[in-house]
Amino acid sequence: RKEVEQDPGPFNVPEGATVAFNCTYSNSASQSFFWYRQDCRKEPKLLMSVYSSGNEDGRFTAQLNRASQYISLLIRDSKLSDSATYLCVAGGVAGGSYIPTFGRGTSLIVHP
Amino acid sequence: EAGVTQFPSHSVIEKGQTVTLRCDPISGHDNLYWYRRVMGKEIKFLLHFVKESKQDESGMPNNRFLAERTGGTYSTLKVQPAELEDSGVYFCASSHENLRGRGKLFFGSGTQLSVL
Repeated sequence: RKEVEQDPGPFNVPEGATVAFNCTYSNSASQSFFWYRQDCRKEPKLLMSVYSSGNEDGRFTAQLNRASQYISLLIRDSKLSDSATYLCVAGGVAGGSYIPTFGRGTSLIVHP
Repeated sequence: EAGVTQFPSHSVIEKGQTVTLRCDPISGHDNLYWYRRVMGKEIKFLLHFVKESKQDESGMPNNRFLAERTGGTYSTLKVQPAELEDSGVYFCASSHENLRGRGKLFFGSGTQLSVL
């Protein structure tokens, strides 16, 4: 079983749509959680941290359910520029080393 | 402030040759990570430095891979001898060591390695 699992998609949505991505992680000792965004042929970039209380950044809302080991990202009013791969990340300490573990990513295509 | 820089951006070598990848992290970032993405797969952890110390190299595929971070500044990742399955994009990332910052990775643009 992969440590961080995501539906690879692609999710193909029209501009203005609301889209939700889900992610599960297997290591119950994971301490911190993030969503990264990766554009084609580019490096991943931090989109937002994910907190237990849920957090929002503009059109983006992230939520964490520790009991279910489940993370979500909601994008409202999708823009063409939101087209990218969204990577779910769970970070935890193993053997004294803090390691962020990446999911495979969910591809989003926003069309006119 | 300069970001994480990696060199070269692309490398095409033949099986059996040696390649050395370099990463310059953001100044002041103690954490330095190497990751690799093989086409169609997830970004996989290779190893982690805190300053010049190797904290975890459990993700290194085998002893053909050697990473160093002399002086706790830039890092190198050497593959010797390279095999076909080593092809992929090698990313370097750095972060602060403090609790709030360590999961917030800043990535370099990666080195695309092709072994023929």
